[in-house]
Amino acid sequence: DIQMTQSPPSLSASLGDKVTITCQASQNINKYIAWYQQKPGKAPGLLIHYTSTLVSGIPSRFSGSGSGRDYSFSISNVESEDIASYYCLQYDNSPRTFGGGTKLELK
Amino acid sequence: EVQLVESGGGLVQPGRSLKLSCVASGFTFSNYGMNWIRQAPGKGLEWVAYISSGSSYIYYAETVKGRFTISRDNAKNTLYLQMTSLRSEDTALYYCASPQFITTVVPYYWGQGVMVTVSS
Repeated sequence: DIQMTQSPPSLSASLGDKVTITCQASQNINKYIAWYQQKPGKAPGLLIHYTSTLVSGIPSRFSGSGSGRDYSFSISNVESEDIASYYCLQYDNSPRTFGGGTKLELK
Repeated sequence: EVQLVESGGGLVQPGRSLKLSCVASGFTFSNYGMNWIRQAPGKGLEWVAYISSGSSYIYYAETVKGRFTISRDNAKNTLYLQMTSLRSEDTALYYCASPQFITTVVPYYWGQGVMVTVSS
């Protein structure tokens, strides 16, 4: 199975900051990575798929990049509504695997 | 409007069985692969199982392989997860999830989740 190592586990940011989360796969996942946002008590929402393709309706302050084993997700100009947990998901191979998650908090 | 509604959760003793259901509406269920994904209390997401539209392809996480069985009834627009030999570590909120388009596989629509608690 492919392991997804996500870091950092938690992140503290001020409004307007840029933050970056990384996921490293245990093998090449050919850009088949998605990023989700989850707020307390809610189901996750898909933000980005295929490394950098923004889902319709998602603000452009969210972005993704990477290749091979190494991927990153960024939020520029953090807003209060971005306070949530974020997860990467590899879907190159089955079983699919999520990263451990990153909890974004306000400084 | 796409809706996924899970049911069948509850409190169950270790070693016992439970069957979850997910009723889909608002899209042509028979055209889409479906997923079960779970989240233990206060923990991260764990992908559990996938079944293709026609049930030809089925995959499981190693943690549930041999104990859980995913299935579907396209005539009833319903996805199932039969869980046997339940363990305390199976305690979680279980979500069913579907992609947004036939041509994609990434889970987009999620149900509200159903809680499974394994405890004596």
